[in-house]
Amino acid sequence: KNQVEQSPQSLIILEGKNCTLQCNYTVSPFSNLRWYKQDTGRGPVSLTIMTFSENTKSNGRYTATLDADTKQSSLHITASQLSDSASYICVVSGGGTASKLTFGTGTRLQVTL
Amino acid sequence: GAGVSQSPRYKVAKRGQDVALRCDPISGHVSLFWYQQALGQGPEFLTYFQNEAQLDKSGLPSDRFFAERPEGSVSTLKIQRTQQEDSAVYLCASSGPRGGNTEAFFGQGTRLTVV
Repeated sequence: KNQVEQSPQSLIILEGKNCTLQCNYTVSPFSNLRWYKQDTGRGPVSLTIMTFSENTKSNGRYTATLDADTKQSSLHITASQLSDSASYICVVSGGGTASKLTFGTGTRLQVTL
Repeated sequence: GAGVSQSPRYKVAKRGQDVALRCDPISGHVSLFWYQQALGQGPEFLTYFQNEAQLDKSGLPSDRFFAERPEGSVSTLKIQRTQQEDSAVYLCASSGPRGGNTEAFFGQGTRLTVV
Protein backbone atom coordinates (compact mmCIF):
# COMPACT_ATOMS: atom_id res chain seq x y z
CA LYS A 1 0.00 0.00 0.00
CA ASN A 2 1.28 3.48 -0.87
CA GLN A 3 1.90 5.35 2.36
CA VAL A 4 3.47 8.57 3.55
CA GLU A 5 4.47 8.89 7.20
CA GLN A 6 5.53 12.09 8.89
CA SER A 7 7.22 12.92 12.15
CA PRO A 8 6.90 14.46 14.58
CA GLN A 9 3.14 14.65 14.73
CA SER A 10 3.38 18.06 16.39
CA LEU A 11 6.14 20.44 17.35
CA ILE A 12 6.42 23.65 19.39
CA ILE A 13 9.44 25.91 18.91
CA LEU A 14 10.45 29.42 19.91
CA GLU A 15 10.45 32.16 17.33
CA GLY A 16 13.82 32.44 15.63
CA LYS A 17 14.75 28.79 16.12
CA ASN A 18 15.26 26.25 13.37
CA CYS A 19 13.43 22.96 12.99
CA THR A 20 13.38 19.89 10.75
CA LEU A 21 10.35 17.85 9.79
CA GLN A 22 10.65 14.29 8.50
CA CYS A 23 8.80 12.31 5.84
CA ASN A 24 9.14 8.63 4.91
CA TYR A 25 7.24 7.12 2.02
CA THR A 26 6.57 3.78 0.41
CA VAL A 27 4.96 5.07 -2.80
CA SER A 28 6.25 3.18 -5.81
CA PRO A 29 6.98 3.92 -8.55
CA PHE A 30 7.96 7.40 -7.47
CA SER A 31 7.22 10.50 -9.51
CA ASN A 32 7.78 13.50 -7.27
CA LEU A 33 7.58 14.69 -3.68
CA ARG A 34 6.04 17.93 -2.51
CA TRP A 35 5.84 19.79 0.76
CA TYR A 36 2.70 21.79 1.41
CA LYS A 37 1.86 24.30 4.12
CA GLN A 38 -1.73 24.29 5.34
CA ASP A 39 -2.97 27.08 7.55
CA THR A 40 -5.99 26.33 9.70
CA GLY A 41 -9.18 26.55 7.65
CA ARG A 42 -7.38 26.95 4.36
CA GLY A 43 -6.30 24.72 1.51
CA PRO A 44 -2.71 23.45 1.25
CA VAL A 45 -0.18 25.71 -0.47
CA SER A 46 2.85 24.24 -2.22
CA LEU A 47 6.31 25.02 -0.80
CA THR A 48 8.56 22.79 -2.87
CA ILE A 49 8.34 20.02 -5.46
CA MET A 50 11.21 17.61 -6.13
CA THR A 51 11.64 14.90 -8.72
CA PHE A 52 13.76 11.77 -8.47
CA SER A 53 16.94 13.53 -9.64
CA GLU A 54 16.75 16.43 -7.20
CA ASN A 55 18.02 16.06 -3.65
CA THR A 56 17.73 19.62 -2.36
CA LYS A 57 15.42 22.50 -3.09
CA SER A 58 15.00 25.79 -1.26
CA ASN A 59 12.17 28.30 -1.07
CA GLY A 60 13.20 31.20 1.12
CA ARG A 61 13.61 29.94 4.67
CA TYR A 62 12.34 26.49 3.68
CA THR A 63 14.80 23.85 2.46
CA ALA A 64 13.62 20.40 1.42
CA THR A 65 15.85 17.38 0.92
CA LEU A 66 15.10 14.10 -0.80
CA ASP A 67 16.87 10.76 -0.60
CA ALA A 68 15.14 8.60 -3.19
CA ASP A 69 17.22 5.55 -2.22
CA THR A 70 16.01 5.51 1.38
CA LYS A 71 12.66 7.09 0.45
CA GLN A 72 13.07 9.88 2.95
CA SER A 73 12.58 13.61 2.79
CA SER A 74 13.01 16.44 5.25
CA LEU A 75 11.82 20.02 5.43
CA HIS A 76 14.11 22.41 7.30
CA ILE A 77 12.74 25.75 8.44
CA THR A 78 15.31 28.39 9.30
CA ALA A 79 14.79 31.32 11.68
CA SER A 80 11.16 30.45 12.33
CA GLN A 81 8.49 33.14 12.45
CA LEU A 82 5.09 33.20 14.10
CA SER A 83 3.52 32.96 10.65
CA ASP A 84 5.17 29.58 10.15
CA SER A 85 2.62 28.11 12.56
CA ALA A 86 0.67 25.67 10.38
CA SER A 87 0.47 22.05 9.34
CA TYR A 88 3.20 20.87 6.99
CA ILE A 89 2.17 18.04 4.74
CA CYS A 90 4.43 15.76 2.73
CA VAL A 91 2.81 14.63 -0.51
CA VAL A 92 4.14 11.98 -2.88
CA SER A 93 3.04 11.55 -6.47
CA GLY A 94 3.30 8.17 -8.13
CA GLY A 95 2.12 4.69 -7.23
CA GLY A 96 1.37 3.91 -10.83
CA THR A 97 -0.76 6.97 -11.37
CA ALA A 98 1.36 10.12 -11.64
CA SER A 99 -1.69 12.23 -11.11
CA LYS A 100 -2.60 10.71 -7.76
CA LEU A 101 -1.14 12.45 -4.74
CA THR A 102 -0.67 10.48 -1.53
CA PHE A 103 -0.72 12.76 1.50
CA GLY A 104 0.94 12.31 4.85
CA THR A 105 -1.03 13.21 7.96
CA GLY A 106 1.13 16.28 8.50
CA THR A 107 3.22 17.84 11.24
CA ARG A 108 1.48 20.52 13.24
CA LEU A 109 4.06 23.28 13.93
CA GLN A 110 3.47 25.99 16.49
CA VAL A 111 5.93 28.88 16.76
CA THR A 112 5.72 30.81 20.01
CA LEU A 113 7.30 33.92 21.51
CA GLY B 1 -10.38 33.45 -11.61
CA ALA B 2 -6.99 33.80 -9.98
CA GLY B 3 -7.27 30.65 -7.89
CA VAL B 4 -9.35 27.55 -7.26
CA SER B 5 -12.74 28.53 -5.90
CA GLN B 6 -14.99 26.22 -3.94
CA SER B 7 -18.56 26.75 -2.81
CA PRO B 8 -20.15 26.73 -0.42
CA ARG B 9 -17.41 27.26 2.20
CA TYR B 10 -19.58 25.66 4.86
CA LYS B 11 -22.48 23.27 4.56
CA VAL B 12 -24.60 21.74 7.30
CA ALA B 13 -26.76 18.85 6.14
CA LYS B 14 -29.23 16.68 7.96
CA ARG B 15 -28.46 12.98 7.81
CA GLY B 16 -30.02 11.54 4.68
CA GLN B 17 -29.95 14.80 2.76
CA ASP B 18 -28.21 15.08 -0.62
CA VAL B 19 -25.49 17.72 -1.05
CA ALA B 20 -23.61 19.17 -4.02
CA LEU B 21 -20.21 20.78 -3.68
CA ARG B 22 -18.84 22.97 -6.44
CA CYS B 23 -15.27 23.53 -7.63
CA ASP B 24 -14.15 26.20 -10.09
CA PRO B 25 -10.56 25.33 -11.11
CA ILE B 26 -7.97 27.74 -12.41
CA SER B 27 -8.86 28.62 -15.98
CA GLY B 28 -7.12 26.36 -18.48
CA HIS B 29 -6.12 23.71 -15.94
CA VAL B 30 -6.61 20.26 -17.36
CA SER B 31 -6.39 18.19 -14.20
CA LEU B 32 -8.84 18.40 -11.33
CA PHE B 33 -8.74 16.46 -8.08
CA TRP B 34 -11.12 16.00 -5.17
CA TYR B 35 -9.86 15.15 -1.68
CA GLN B 36 -11.56 14.45 1.64
CA GLN B 37 -9.86 15.70 4.81
CA ALA B 38 -11.11 14.51 8.16
CA LEU B 39 -10.35 16.59 11.25
CA GLY B 40 -6.67 16.34 12.16
CA GLN B 41 -5.85 14.14 9.19
CA GLY B 42 -4.17 14.66 5.85
CA PRO B 43 -6.30 14.81 2.71
CA GLU B 44 -7.39 11.50 1.20
CA PHE B 45 -7.75 11.11 -2.55
CA LEU B 46 -11.29 10.77 -3.90
CA THR B 47 -11.21 11.21 -7.66
CA TYR B 48 -9.31 12.73 -10.58
CA PHE B 49 -10.41 14.29 -13.87
CA GLN B 50 -8.42 15.08 -16.96
CA ASN B 51 -10.60 17.53 -18.83
CA GLU B 52 -14.10 16.00 -18.73
CA ALA B 53 -12.88 12.44 -18.35
CA GLN B 54 -12.94 10.90 -14.90
CA LEU B 55 -9.75 8.84 -15.07
CA ASP B 56 -9.62 7.66 -11.48
CA LYS B 57 -12.43 7.33 -8.98
CA SER B 58 -10.84 4.69 -6.81
CA GLY B 59 -10.97 6.88 -3.72
CA LEU B 60 -14.72 7.44 -3.65
CA PRO B 61 -15.79 5.73 -0.41
CA SER B 62 -19.17 4.47 -1.58
CA ASP B 63 -21.67 4.64 -4.40
CA ARG B 64 -23.29 7.56 -2.57
CA PHE B 65 -20.42 9.71 -3.84
CA PHE B 66 -20.52 10.93 -7.41
CA ALA B 67 -18.39 13.51 -9.21
CA GLU B 68 -18.72 15.08 -12.62
CA ARG B 69 -16.99 17.63 -14.80
CA PRO B 70 -19.17 17.68 -17.91
CA GLU B 71 -17.45 20.49 -19.82
CA GLY B 72 -13.94 19.98 -18.53
CA SER B 73 -14.04 23.03 -16.29
CA VAL B 74 -16.33 23.31 -13.26
CA SER B 75 -16.72 20.13 -11.24
CA THR B 76 -19.40 19.03 -8.81
CA LEU B 77 -19.03 16.47 -6.06
CA LYS B 78 -22.39 15.06 -5.05
CA ILE B 79 -23.04 13.07 -1.92
CA GLN B 80 -26.36 11.30 -1.66
CA ARG B 81 -28.08 10.30 1.58
CA THR B 82 -25.36 11.90 3.70
CA GLN B 83 -24.13 10.10 6.80
CA GLN B 84 -22.33 11.49 9.84
CA GLU B 85 -19.08 9.89 8.73
CA ASP B 86 -19.21 12.08 5.63
CA SER B 87 -18.46 15.12 7.82
CA ALA B 88 -15.11 16.47 6.61
CA VAL B 89 -13.49 19.19 4.57
CA TYR B 90 -13.70 18.50 0.86
CA LEU B 91 -10.76 19.97 -1.04
CA CYS B 92 -10.54 20.56 -4.76
CA ALA B 93 -7.25 21.06 -6.59
CA SER B 94 -6.33 21.76 -10.18
CA SER B 95 -3.11 21.59 -12.13
CA GLY B 96 -1.89 22.43 -15.60
CA PRO B 97 -1.41 20.26 -18.65
CA ARG B 98 2.03 18.87 -17.91
CA GLY B 99 0.79 16.09 -15.70
CA GLY B 100 2.14 14.88 -12.41
CA ASN B 101 5.14 17.21 -12.07
CA THR B 102 3.18 20.43 -12.12
CA GLU B 103 2.03 22.14 -8.98
CA ALA B 104 -1.48 21.40 -7.76
CA PHE B 105 -3.32 24.47 -6.52
CA PHE B 106 -5.92 23.91 -3.84
CA GLY B 107 -9.14 25.69 -3.05
CA GLN B 108 -10.02 26.60 0.53
CA GLY B 109 -12.33 23.64 0.79
CA THR B 110 -15.94 23.05 1.73
CA ARG B 111 -16.52 22.04 5.34
CA LEU B 112 -19.42 19.61 5.43
CA THR B 113 -21.09 18.85 8.74
CA VAL B 114 -23.76 16.17 8.79
CA VAL B 115 -26.04 16.34 11.81
